[in-house]
Amino acid sequence: TQLLEQSPQFLSIQEGENLTVYCNSSSVFSSLQWYRQEPGEGPVLLVTVVTGGEVKKLKRLTFQFGDARKDSSLHITAAQPGDTGLYLCAGEYGNKLVFGAGTILRVKS
Amino acid sequence: DSGVTQTPKHLITATGQRVTLRCSPRSGDLSVYWYQQSLDQGLQFLIQYYNGEERAKGNILERFSAQQFPDLHSELNLSSLELGDSALYFCASSVGRDSPLHFGNGTRLTVT
Repeated sequence: TQLLEQSPQFLSIQEGENLTVYCNSSSVFSSLQWYRQEPGEGPVLLVTVVTGGEVKKLKRLTFQFGDARKDSSLHITAAQPGDTGLYLCAGEYGNKLVFGAGTILRVKS
Repeated sequence: DSGVTQTPKHLITATGQRVTLRCSPRSGDLSVYWYQQSLDQGLQFLIQYYNGEERAKGNILERFSAQQFPDLHSELNLSSLELGDSALYFCASSVGRDSPLHFGNGTRLTVT
């Protein structure tokens, strides 16, 4: 069982559509991070959310941290083929940064 | 470019063998982390070093060991390799605790 559960596991959509991916846990985190990983490369940090209820925007990406700091979501507006990749959430647990299994996003043109 | 360098990029070896993976962190980063990524397990934390000392340990097998040298580069040693050790091995570095991780592009290990 993963400490951080991500859903959906896989998402295939057309260019221009909106989507939301989720990261859930039964544990409370002081912060959560979102990374994107493209084939052949390592994960790259997109954002860190720290405060319960916080919303952060990065161009077409909107990140939200749940009020109870147990969950987070990533919403992409008008997805582009360049958004294709593996989206990972991560949180510090027991002095270690642990990752969810990720959501594979494919945006078709 | 994250500034983290991992070598080699690919490694193919046989069961029972031993390999060494190398990581050079970003300039100025004192922490080095090793992760294993496989299709069925996702990204799993192995071990962290800070300025030469082991700081945290994950589900790292006894057949695996790591160290961080005075120049801050790190090596991950994998011995008595099994087919199930085939995976991507990532190194990441950060300035310190609570700082973002910067990942290298990984070493793809194939055990045949």
